[in-house]
Parts: sequence; C-alpha cells; structure tokens
Amino acid sequence: AQSVTQPDIHITVSEGASLELRCNYSYGATPYLFWYVQSPGQGLQLLLKYFSGDTLVQGIKGFEAEFKRSQSSFNLRKPSVHWSDAAEYFCAVGALGYYGGSQGNLIFGKGTKLSVKP
Amino acid sequence: DTEVTQTPKHLVMGMTNKKSLKCEQHMGHRAMYWYKQKAKKPPELMFVYSYEKLSINESVPSRFSPECPNSSLLNLHLHALQPEDSALYLCASSQDEAGPQHFGDGTRLSIL
Repeated sequence: AQSVTQPDIHITVSEGASLELRCNYSYGATPYLFWYVQSPGQGLQLLLKYFSGDTLVQGIKGFEAEFKRSQSSFNLRKPSVHWSDAAEYFCAVGALGYYGGSQGNLIFGKGTKLSVKP
Repeated sequence: DTEVTQTPKHLVMGMTNKKSLKCEQHMGHRAMYWYKQKAKKPPELMFVYSYEKLSINESVPSRFSPECPNSSLLNLHLHALQPEDSALYLCASSQDEAGPQHFGDGTRLSIL
C-alpha cells in the first residue's frame, strides 16, 4: 500500500543553520512527490514538486528537495533557515487509483514541526 | 495570498444546525477537493470533484454533503454534525487529476 513516512516529529534548528527534513515513501510506480508547508491557522502552501526529470528540485523560499529512487526518499533541504520558516512541513505522494481512480489524490506524511531558535 | 478562497474563515454551530462551507477558485482548475484536518494531524481527503465527477472517501459520514455548482465553486453542506467534527476544513484545487493541489486557508469549524 502507498504510504509516506516522516521520521522526525519535531526538529529545532538555529537561525542561519542548514536544514534537512526527511521523507520516505512507499509506492508501486514512479510517484508524484510534494512538499507543503503550513503555518499555524493557515492552509497548506506548495513548496515544490517532483514529477519526473531532474532529481534535484528547486522550490520557493530557498527550499530544494532531492528524489532518490534507490532510497525511496524525497528529503527537503534549505542551506540557511530563517525564523519565518518555523511551521509544519508535510511530505505527500500523489496516489494513482486512489478514491475512484483519480490520480490527484494525496497521501500525506504525519508532518514535521520545525522550530527555529534565535 | 491564496488563489483558493474559502468562506467563512470561522464557523461555530450547534449540532442541529444546517450550514454550508464555500470554496472558489479562478485558476481554471478542473479538480477540487475537500479535506478535514484535526490538530497536529495531516489533512484527510473527504471528497474529490474531477471534471464534475464526484469521488467519495467512504469513511466520511453522510452528514457531510458536497456540491459542485460549476467548475469554479465547491460547497460542503453540513447537517447534524457531532462535536468530533470540529476541525479545520480545507479546500484545494488542481489543474487536472495529476497536477499539484493548491489549498485555501481553510474554515475553522467548531461544533457546540
């Protein structure tokens, strides 16, 4: 069955430090992969997506992610974290044939909460 | 600013009330979604409208009823809700079934 695992529930980093959030997926075919960010009381904002092609994907707000098929991973990185990056981060896979055959349905990981120390 | 607009932002209702949540997008997207999100949890898919065809998460109770008047609008009708239905309800849209989903800011629903 399709699934997404985010091993870290909560991560704290210092402002200006680098960041890596882990995501592992289980999926039978080439997945569509996404990272979303959610600030308190807000909806989800798409940071970046991977459909095919270059395995290093650039996103908004200085984030990037690397798709590694051999490791079934899609880790999110940022070289220098800002205080405004504190939020909940969700990794998601687009699931084929999920709920009536629609490809556009997302399976989310449980999320990683990022805290930033001044 | 989000391109998916949800109203109202907050809603408090009793268990016997009938209310509706509204969602609108003007990006020309042909798929729209309703999600339910409890605190500290990821969103859970409730309904999908793709090219006006409805797909349902069969675990969603019948007190939730979606409606898609046209490709830009999506409603969620609520009736006889329970306290455990209190949550953030998120609407999303995508260009087609395979495209990335764009989310609204949600409606915070509280059931008394």
